[in-house]
Amino acid sequence: EPEVTQTPSHQVTQMGQEVILRCVPISNHLYFYWYRQILGQKVEFLVSFYNNEISEKSEIFDDQFSVERPDGSNFTLKIRSTKLEDSAMYFCASSVDSPMNTEAFFGQGTRLTVV
Amino acid sequence: DAKTTQPTSMDCAEGRAANLPCNHSTISGNEYVYWYRQIHSQGPQYIIHGLKNNETNEMASLIITEDRKSSTLILPHATLRDTAVYYCIVADSWGKLQFGAGTQVVVTP
Repeated sequence: EPEVTQTPSHQVTQMGQEVILRCVPISNHLYFYWYRQILGQKVEFLVSFYNNEISEKSEIFDDQFSVERPDGSNFTLKIRSTKLEDSAMYFCASSVDSPMNTEAFFGQGTRLTVV
Repeated sequence: DAKTTQPTSMDCAEGRAANLPCNHSTISGNEYVYWYRQIHSQGPQYIIHGLKNNETNEMASLIITEDRKSSTLILPHATLRDTAVYYCIVADSWGKLQFGAGTQVVVTP
């Protein structure tokens, strides 16, 4: 069964450092997303991406965050200058069609720890 | 804020049906009802979704009331592996799933 793959599974970084989280969506999917979940809290939407541009973003997704699809397979989330409060589980997801009527497949997540 | 209301927790005996309720009284005409679950700290897993009609797949059934203000997810024969947090989500806008706190379902032997 096809799956969304995220790397690394766990990333530890120092406060102020840049970090890039990587995702390989399912190959025929056209819509891509990032969500995050701070330990013990809800899953929060960050950003959606379609046709090489951001479709929607949340208030969390400020200028410190950026997304990119550098080639035909990868989808990345960059945090320019990490803060302690960025520590969370980050989930990538993808869907084949318009998200209003289709399922999103989530990866297993990258646990980001900022020290 | 999430547009759905779910019970905080629910226990279910293994092999029995689990009926998970969800209220979404402010749902608008073109919004779908989605159900996802999250096992431990894994990525959310899609279960089922629907607009007006009841839906069934290999995992579950979704019953949506005629006025669409509430729905029920039915796991027909719960197993221990169904222990998870279950999220009822009304698709808020294009590309955005708003997760609430969900219902913690514990399936007991």
